[in-house]
Amino acid sequence: GQNIDQPTEMTATEGAIVQINCTYQTSGFNGLFWYQQHAGEAPTFLSYNVLDGLEEKGRFSSFLSRSKGYSYLLLKELQMKDSASYLCAALSNDYKLSFGAGTTVTVRA
Amino acid sequence: TAGITQAPTSQILAAGRSMTLRCTQDMRHNAMYWYRQDLGLGLRLIHYSNTAGTTGKGEVPDGYSVSRANTDDFPLTLASAVPSQTSVYFCASSRLAGGEDTQYFGPGTRLTVL
Repeated sequence: GQNIDQPTEMTATEGAIVQINCTYQTSGFNGLFWYQQHAGEAPTFLSYNVLDGLEEKGRFSSFLSRSKGYSYLLLKELQMKDSASYLCAALSNDYKLSFGAGTTVTVRA
Repeated sequence: TAGITQAPTSQILAAGRSMTLRCTQDMRHNAMYWYRQDLGLGLRLIHYSNTAGTTGKGEVPDGYSVSRANTDDFPLTLASAVPSQTSVYFCASSRLAGGEDTQYFGPGTRLTVL
């Protein structure tokens, strides 16, 4: 089966940086997605990594190490609106997405 | 553009009753998906469709059925609901099948089975 691990909760201060780690074990691997989900809303796409390295997109960056089965999402210059759940999802060999349980980030003033 | 719509927004259903959750997308996406989201478990794939006329089973298909008669619609049916099917159900679509393409999610249906 697929196994996606990420921390349950993280708290940070407005303006700070937070790093959300994700480790995965899947039947083969074809890429790693990060989604953001505000409470009571639908998940929305943040990033997709298929090659090793860092992808930067504004205040958000995502990193992937295929050899270590590891990814992280970096949120910089935190804003109150960044309070949400962040979902890590790995794409397996049969091209199905397996989601982690999500990391709830709370940004405090 | 509406994107993906789901109906109803929420529903309370008696155990043993049947129900169809509706999902419609107007983006002409080829692939569509149904997930359930439960606290502490994350999103789990129920069924998917890579293109109109085809469907496939996901991780947790038991108790659910789907059809894909056309590109836009992908209804999910619970033939005889049980309390363990209490969950939030999300429909999603992607332009391409195969999983590598970004999935766009609908607003969800909150279902309670009593």
